Amino acid sequence: ELKVEQNPLFLSMQEGKNYTIYCNYSTTSDRLYWYRQDPGKSLESLFVLLSNGAVKQEGRLMASLDTKARLSTLHITAAVHDLSATYFCAVDPRIQGAQKLVFGQGTRLTINP
Amino acid sequence: DSGVTQTPKHLITATGQRVTLRCSPRSGDLSVYWYQQSLDQGLQFLIHYYNGEERAKGNILERFSAQQFPDLHSELNLSSLELGDSALYFCASSVGAEPYGYTFGSGTRLTVV
Repeated sequence: ELKVEQNPLFLSMQEGKNYTIYCNYSTTSDRLYWYRQDPGKSLESLFVLLSNGAVKQEGRLMASLDTKARLSTLHITAAVHDLSATYFCAVDPRIQGAQKLVFGQGTRLTINP
Repeated sequence: DSGVTQTPKHLITATGQRVTLRCSPRSGDLSVYWYQQSLDQGLQFLIHYYNGEERAKGNILERFSAQQFPDLHSELNLSSLELGDSALYFCASSVGAEPYGYTFGSGTRLTVV
């Protein structure tokens, strides 16, 4: 069974600092997704990574995928308060007949002034 | 507005009761996925329908059932409700039968008292 693990689960950081959220998964996949969720709200798609070595950037967020290491990272540069949210990675196990995403536990990010 | 409509937004009901959650996918999307988000289980895949047919089942209890109608909207029926069924229920839609390009609805918050 595919397992997706994020770390850290909780992250409190100061504005202006850099940090990285890690997403490890247990089986081969070349499709990984990052989502953002604000409290009580829906999930907003941030990045879709579809191949080994894929790197995508949007503003202060950059995501990468290493399928050989089964690892994706979400890097935050010069954090600002507006980035406070819970971030989820999700993996498509690409098992025929099992069209679904398996989500990590989420990383609750709090950015303090 | 993501284009995926879920109703109702909030639902409070008593143990033992039955409720129906509704999801209208984004225009043109043929797939509907249901997920449950709870504090202890995180985001769990429940079931996937594609163009009216069930495609995959996840951790869906026997007390729960779903269907997708000819107009592509979907309903998730939850019966004999227990306190532990309290959660956020999300649906997501996508164009094809794979979860590429999921769009999530705003969710239904179910509280069982």
